[in-house]
Amino acid sequence: EPEVTQTPSHQVTQMGQEVILRCVPISNHLYFYWYRQILGQKVEFLVSFYNNEISEKSEIFDDQFSVERPDGSNFTLKIRSTKLEDSAMYFCASSRLGHLYNSPLHFGNGTRLTVT
Amino acid sequence: AQTVTQSQPEMSVQEAETVTLSCTYDTSESDYYLFWYKQPPSRQMILVIRQEAYKQQNATENRFSVNFQKAAKSFSLKISDSQLGDAAMYFCAFYNYGGSQGNLIFGKGTKLSVKP
Repeated sequence: EPEVTQTPSHQVTQMGQEVILRCVPISNHLYFYWYRQILGQKVEFLVSFYNNEISEKSEIFDDQFSVERPDGSNFTLKIRSTKLEDSAMYFCASSRLGHLYNSPLHFGNGTRLTVT
Repeated sequence: AQTVTQSQPEMSVQEAETVTLSCTYDTSESDYYLFWYKQPPSRQMILVIRQEAYKQQNATENRFSVNFQKAAKSFSLKISDSQLGDAAMYFCAFYNYGGSQGNLIFGKGTKLSVKP
């Protein structure tokens, strides 16, 4: 069964550095998402992406965050200047149609980001 | 704003027994969808079961079933004949298609342990 894949599985970075988290969504999916989960907290929506543009973003997704689909397969999340509070598990997800009941989200394994 | 509450941070069940995980939510919407996701130690979140709010009949998927009480805004998950592979974090999630496109709202999760 096709899967969403994320790399790396664990990223350690220093405060102020830029990081790029990478995701390969399922190939025939059209909607892409990033969620994050701070340790012990809820999984939180960051951003959704469709047709090469952001379709929705949460309050968390401020100017230090950006997303891109640089080619036909990758979907990236960039954090420009990391802060300690950005330490979290970041999940990529994709959906074929965008209606999450009829076309449920498929999640990747996550990237654990540790900012020191 | 919608909220999802899982009041049981941890639960434990004996193999072959039945366990019920609780979830309550708060919304002013009448048309929405509810999900249970499972996150095994390998970290990839997997959809377990889903329920449409306008359907009175409780959803069932093999050993997994829900008790959906719309008036009480309750959506519990029952796992029958528990197996060792059921050990995971379980997240309840809410989705209002009429509102945000990709914004699944998650609870904090319940960690389920299965004892042999």
